[in-house]
Amino acid sequence: EAGVAQSPRYKIIEKRQSVAFWCNPISGHATLYWYQQILGQGPKLLIQFQNNGVVDDSQLPKDRFSAERLKGVDSTLKIQPAKLEDSAVYLCASSSHRGRGYDEQYFGPGTRLTVT
Amino acid sequence: AQSVAQPEDQVNVAEGNPLTVKCTYSVSGNPYLFWYVQYPNRGLQFLLKYITGDNLVKGSYGFEAEFNKSQTSFHLKKPSALVSDSALYFCAVRDRGSTLGRLYFGRGTQLTVWP
Repeated sequence: EAGVAQSPRYKIIEKRQSVAFWCNPISGHATLYWYQQILGQGPKLLIQFQNNGVVDDSQLPKDRFSAERLKGVDSTLKIQPAKLEDSAVYLCASSSHRGRGYDEQYFGPGTRLTVT
Repeated sequence: AQSVAQPEDQVNVAEGNPLTVKCTYSVSGNPYLFWYVQYPNRGLQFLLKYITGDNLVKGSYGFEAEFNKSQTSFHLKKPSALVSDSALYFCAVRDRGSTLGRLYFGRGTQLTVWP
């Protein structure tokens, strides 16, 4: 079974530039998550999709961050414009989430973003 | 509010010795509890979870965790550590009464097993 795919793996941009990250979840997984992991901290949920609908985006800085999940499969997370404090690893995860809160999440390798 | 505390940033043990990585949590209701491991330049990998029933949960790679409701703890343990267990370990909690299913992570504990 193929895992969660993410690209790019690394990205360096200057502040005020824009950047986009891509995620392909495990086939058949209805729920997709984007997390931000700042160095020295645990992952923090940015947005959660159930199929192609947003379930939870309460922690997403909507003035600069946006995300979409086309056709309930792939997803893209965008930052525009980037700030220095956006430097972090962006993790994508998926789960089958058949309405069961105890389903484990499967994580991709992450994208390490450096904003200079 | 839900939160997870991992009181130790770093745990060092000798290979062959038992290891414990501590986790305490705070949720408004009853929790689902998880442990994940992160190797360098890789995403998080699921280790084990507590749903209900037996307080001792067994997971991957010989790890186990003990749920203690009175102490609101879910410590990760392994009877005999391996050098290959060296990694960053995260405890996570979800309120089973929450329809959103948001997972809250601790800050992580760096485990180093020396030969």
